[in-house]
Amino acid sequence: DTGVSQNPRHKITKRGQNVTFRCDPISEHNRLYWYRQTLGQGPEFLTYFQNEAQLEKSRLLSDRFSAERPKGSFSTLEIQRTEQGDSAMYLCASSVGNSRDEQYFGPGTRLTVT
Amino acid sequence: TQLLEQSPQFLSIQEGENLTVYCNSSSVFSSLQWYRQEPGEGPVLLVTVVTGGEVKKLKRLTFQFGDARKDSSLHITAAQTGDTGLYLCAGAGDSNYQLIWGAGTKLIIKP
Repeated sequence: DTGVSQNPRHKITKRGQNVTFRCDPISEHNRLYWYRQTLGQGPEFLTYFQNEAQLEKSRLLSDRFSAERPKGSFSTLEIQRTEQGDSAMYLCASSVGNSRDEQYFGPGTRLTVT
Repeated sequence: TQLLEQSPQFLSIQEGENLTVYCNSSSVFSSLQWYRQEPGEGPVLLVTVVTGGEVKKLKRLTFQFGDARKDSSLHITAAQTGDTGLYLCAGAGDSNYQLIWGAGTKLIIKP
């Protein structure tokens, strides 16, 4: 297993366009998380899945954001009608889901909205 | 609301020097993790501390969890240029899913 993978690594889009990112977690991990990170800051929680169920979504998350994890494997994060403020690194992480919740991160998708 | 404060926010030192980074909270955490992140990459888990007073060593890095499990420190001995990066602490708190993240310490080691 090569760890968590994310695609694409970089995405440049024009304001108003829709974008979709994909995350493939470590295969034995049943938890999957999406975070957003801006320069010099720690990761900001967006949402998380336990298997295929989306159990929590940040109150800060706009209705333009939606995430899915069909069949409890890979996950997608879609941003509709992108805005310049959406420009950030989008990180995916997975974990086994025990009390320590050690999370393993992918390399991230860098989104630039022009 | 649980918060984790990291200090310093930024540290630039010469290769060979020692340094300590702190992660503090008024809340108790069941465990605390330290990550290192390089530019353009995701955070990489370095260590998890669970027991109050626990000390873990990873080569030149020493991690300590406070006795009351409210704070933690990372000490680097004889820093090397390869230690450069953003160091993040994250605590497992009240919920069973969401880590509480510090804002990070940006460390630069100059040759």
